[in-house]
Order: sequence, then C-alpha cells, then structure tokens
Amino acid sequence: GAVVSQHPSRVICKSGTSVKIECRSLDFQATTMFWYRQFPKQSLMLMATSNEGSKATYEQGVEKDKFLINHASLTLSTLTVTSAHPEDSSFYICSAPRPGGSTDTQYFGPGTRLTVL
Amino acid sequence: AQSVTQPDIHITVSEGASLELRCNYSYGATPYLFWYVQSPGQGLQLLLKYFSGDTLVQGIKGFEAEFKRSQSSFNLRKPSVHWSDAAEYFCAVGKKAAGNKLTFGGGTRVLVKP
Repeated sequence: GAVVSQHPSRVICKSGTSVKIECRSLDFQATTMFWYRQFPKQSLMLMATSNEGSKATYEQGVEKDKFLINHASLTLSTLTVTSAHPEDSSFYICSAPRPGGSTDTQYFGPGTRLTVL
Repeated sequence: AQSVTQPDIHITVSEGASLELRCNYSYGATPYLFWYVQSPGQGLQLLLKYFSGDTLVQGIKGFEAEFKRSQSSFNLRKPSVHWSDAAEYFCAVGKKAAGNKLTFGGGTRVLVKP
C-alpha cells in the first residue's frame, strides 16, 4: 500500500536554530501534500498546503516566513521551522492524497516530534 | 466554516464491552466524513469514511459508523473492544473541492481496562 514517510522522527534543537523536516511519498507521486501541527493531547491543525511547482498555501494565522515549505519534487515536501523557539515545540505531521483517488485516499506520515530547548 | 466536535475527551471501556465515540460536524453541504485512529509512534490510519449512499458504513478492525444528517452526527461504534483498540480517535470532515483538506475534531482517547 501507499506509504508516506517523515524524517527525522524526533529532533531536538536549540532556540534560534532552523530545523528541516522531510515528507516523502514512497510509492506514488503527490502534487499536493499537507502539513499539520499537533500539540500534546490536542487535535491536528492544518498549517499549510504544499503544492509541487508553486507556492504553498498557508492557513490563517500561520506565519509563512516562520514555516517555510518547499515542494521540490512529486515525492518530497519539506517544512523548515526557521529561528525555532520553545513555543514551536510540537508534533508535525504531513499527509498526501493519492492522485486520481477520492478524498479518502489520503495517507499520513508517522510524524516528527520537535523539541526546542 | 466547517468544524468537527468530539464531546468526549477520554473514554474508558472494559475489554469486550461495546464502544461508541461521538462526532458532530458543522458543514454547509454534504460532508465527506472520516474516522482515523492514531496509535503512539504511528501515523493516522483511516478506519472508515462516508461520502454518500448507505448511512451505515463499515470499516476496518470491526468498526462501523452511522451518518445521521438530521443530527449532524457521525458516531463510531465497535461491539466488542480489544486491548489493542486503546488509542486516540479522530473524526474529520473533508472538503473535496479544497483539494482534500481535512478538518479534525479534538480527538477522543480510548483506554481499555482488562
């Protein structure tokens, strides 16, 4: 079946540094990927839609200069948290819908836990 | 704007007992509704979905859900839970026209007692 991977699974960084998270679709091409953020014991909140070959679309309240998204190829989207601060600590999850499928064929990555010291 | 509410934050159920998780949605048109399960260290897994047609949908792992338009609900049920069903469950509504974006409910954490 289709699989979406994320790397790294966990990352700890110092305040002020930047962190890059990768999301890959392993056996299908994804022109669109989604990035979600999940705080402890809370739900997933959509941050942005990553579009291959064009700019990402950010949800209201999400700083585009803070969370840089690059959809460099049909199988890879990256989320870079720039100048990270402790409040950016969270669980980041990506998902990708399988092209040609219906809305239900959306596959989620296992998530990346970011801790900013 | 679409929204999803899961009224129960935690539910504790004995192994072998039945389980029902509530989900209410707000949506301007016919909703695309989903239930996902999230286990520690694993990605979200789709349990079942509703697009149209039969309002009682069957999913994986013995789960089912019933769409009730009059109540704006899509409750998830399982007749007999197993210890492995302990996890976080999320109800979500999708907007196909918006490129498959999903809006999630707050989640319900299920604990299973032996």
